[in-house]
Amino acid sequence: GAGVSQSPSNKVTEKGKDVELRCDPISGHTALYWYRQSLGQGLEFLIYFQGNSAPDKSGLPSDRFSAERTGGSVSTLTIQRTQQEDSAVYLCASSLEPFRDEQYFGPGTRLTVT
Amino acid sequence: AQRVTQPEKLLSVFKGAPVELKCNYSYSGSPELFWYVQYSRQRLQLLLRHISRESIKGFTADLNKGETSFHLKKPFAQEEDSAMYYCALFGPGNQFYFGTGTSLTVIP
Repeated sequence: GAGVSQSPSNKVTEKGKDVELRCDPISGHTALYWYRQSLGQGLEFLIYFQGNSAPDKSGLPSDRFSAERTGGSVSTLTIQRTQQEDSAVYLCASSLEPFRDEQYFGPGTRLTVT
Repeated sequence: AQRVTQPEKLLSVFKGAPVELKCNYSYSGSPELFWYVQYSRQRLQLLLRHISRESIKGFTADLNKGETSFHLKKPFAQEEDSAMYYCALFGPGNQFYFGTGTSLTVIP
């Protein structure tokens, strides 16, 4: 079976535009996670889904960030009115059950805001 | 405040030498700790977790609650161990906290 996939792999956008990043988890994985990796920083945990619900959205950096998951599968991370500090690699991961199970990571989406 | 600290950004060792990648955490509860690895041009993947007490690719990590550490060790480094290593904590707020990573280079 395929692993976690993310699209697009690269995205260059102008400051102020909205972007949508997509994650396709491994089939059957109930948990899905979004992380951000900025240059020289570790992985910053953004949000996780158990099924379609996100119990805690406090990790999202600002109200410009939102995420949803539909059908217990695909998830989208939306960034509105992008800023230059949003430039980073956005990683998605999924696991069979939340947290204690191994997380399988996608290849990431490199976002550049000019 | 940083929940997970990896003090070394870069670490170089010679092939066959012992290697230790340091990780300290900040959490008063019962921590669950992991090491993830990212080889060149590959995805981030789980290396080991403390709860399973296993040795993967010759690496081990012992949780030391007194020192709040979870250092990763291997007695004899191999060239293929060159990679980026991240220590991670599952802790407060049901969130994952990753360190900033250590880039290990094994010199032939």
